[in-house]
Amino acid sequence: SYVLTQPPSVSVAPGKTARITCGGNKIGSKSVHWYQQKPGQAPLLVIFYDADRPSGIPARFSGSKSGYTATLTISRVEAGDEADYYCQVWDSISDVVFGGGTKLTVL
Amino acid sequence: EVQLVESGGGLVKTGGSLRLSCVASGFSFSNAWMTWVRQPPGKGLEWVGRIKSKIDGGTTDYAAPVKGRFTISRDDSRNMMFLQMNSLKTEDTALYYCTTELNRRFDHWGQGSLVTVSS
Repeated sequence: SYVLTQPPSVSVAPGKTARITCGGNKIGSKSVHWYQQKPGQAPLLVIFYDADRPSGIPARFSGSKSGYTATLTISRVEAGDEADYYCQVWDSISDVVFGGGTKLTVL
Repeated sequence: EVQLVESGGGLVKTGGSLRLSCVASGFSFSNAWMTWVRQPPGKGLEWVGRIKSKIDGGTTDYAAPVKGRFTISRDDSRNMMFLQMNSLKTEDTALYYCTTELNRRFDHWGQGSLVTVSS
């Protein structure tokens, strides 16, 4: 089955840039979507099709992909960005696959 | 405004059954693919399954851990989706989210319904 690998945790100081990675075999050929989940809340789509932002998502959130890794970048991190972040793809064999999630801590 | 509201969760014994419901509003439900995603306590997201719109065949797909035990259905006249869960196992304990699926991504989520399976 297809596997997406995320670091369990990332820490960043306020105002700095956070980068959360998502690795997977041949991820370059797949569309990657990213979700933010704050404690006690449902997930929220923040990036789709690798780098597009839904309406209402700040431009501080961006996505990119290179080689076997997709990256969610959060610029000028705020305390309110503290959350779990999940990447997700669709695979022809495994269907929908989520990464294990990354806990972003704002120091 | 899109709204998805799940209900029907609760405590059930292993081997038992439970039926979750999701009522939708604020969009054209009959044209939407709908999906269930679950999240065990303190853990990550896991796709459960989907039901396509009738215009796309109305077919269902399931994740391997639930295939043969769970059944997804829909009632477009009431803007509702259902998840019938049979032969429940302790590992099915999770918060179950109802979502809309568009081009293999999940744009809108409900607040979830908690299912606890105990032995």
